Amino acid sequence: AQTVTQSQPEMSVQEAETVTLSCTYDTSESDYYLFWYKQPPSRQMILVIRQEAYKQQNATENRFSVNFQKAAKSFSLKISDSQLGDAAMYFCAYRGGSNYKLTFGKGTLLTVNP
Amino acid sequence: GAGVSQSPSNKVTEKGKDVELRCDPISGHTALYWYRQSLGQGLEFLIYFQGNSAPDKSGLPSDRFSAERTGGSVSTLTIQRTQQEDSAVYLCASSFSGVETQYFGPGTRLLVL
Repeated sequence: AQTVTQSQPEMSVQEAETVTLSCTYDTSESDYYLFWYKQPPSRQMILVIRQEAYKQQNATENRFSVNFQKAAKSFSLKISDSQLGDAAMYFCAYRGGSNYKLTFGKGTLLTVNP
Repeated sequence: GAGVSQSPSNKVTEKGKDVELRCDPISGHTALYWYRQSLGQGLEFLIYFQGNSAPDKSGLPSDRFSAERTGGSVSTLTIQRTQQEDSAVYLCASSFSGVETQYFGPGTRLLVL
């Protein structure tokens, strides 16, 4: 079974600084997708970024980028120029290529200090 | 286009009562998912609907849990004879198809007293 591990239960960053959230996963599949979701106190899970395993290029969405290391099964999220609105719980998630279930990590609570 | 909506936002019930949670997916999305988020277990998959196919119920924790999807749109998750361990946030998501990105609703927080 696939597993997703987020080793940092909590992280903090100063406003305007950069922070990196870690995620590792375990799978025997070659075709899969990885996601970072953000969950603010409103509970709404919001998609931050998505990476297809077959793509070598790291995904980027404005201030958010990933470092996808397929051989190491690592998928970290970098948030640049952190803003107060980035404060939330961040979840790393895995989905197999032919599957539809998302497997989530335990989450990392990000605090942004003014 | 409205996002995924869920109702009620919060539900408090007494142990042993039945509850119904509702999910309205994004219009045009054929796939619908239910997940449960609890402190002890994190986020867990419960059930998946895709079009008119038989649902994947493999994540339902017990036979007290059931779900249906009427007309390929709205879904209802029913928990019978609620127990305190059922207390959690129940999240619904939908996607254009079963392999596309899932978009989540705001969830229903269930508290069983």
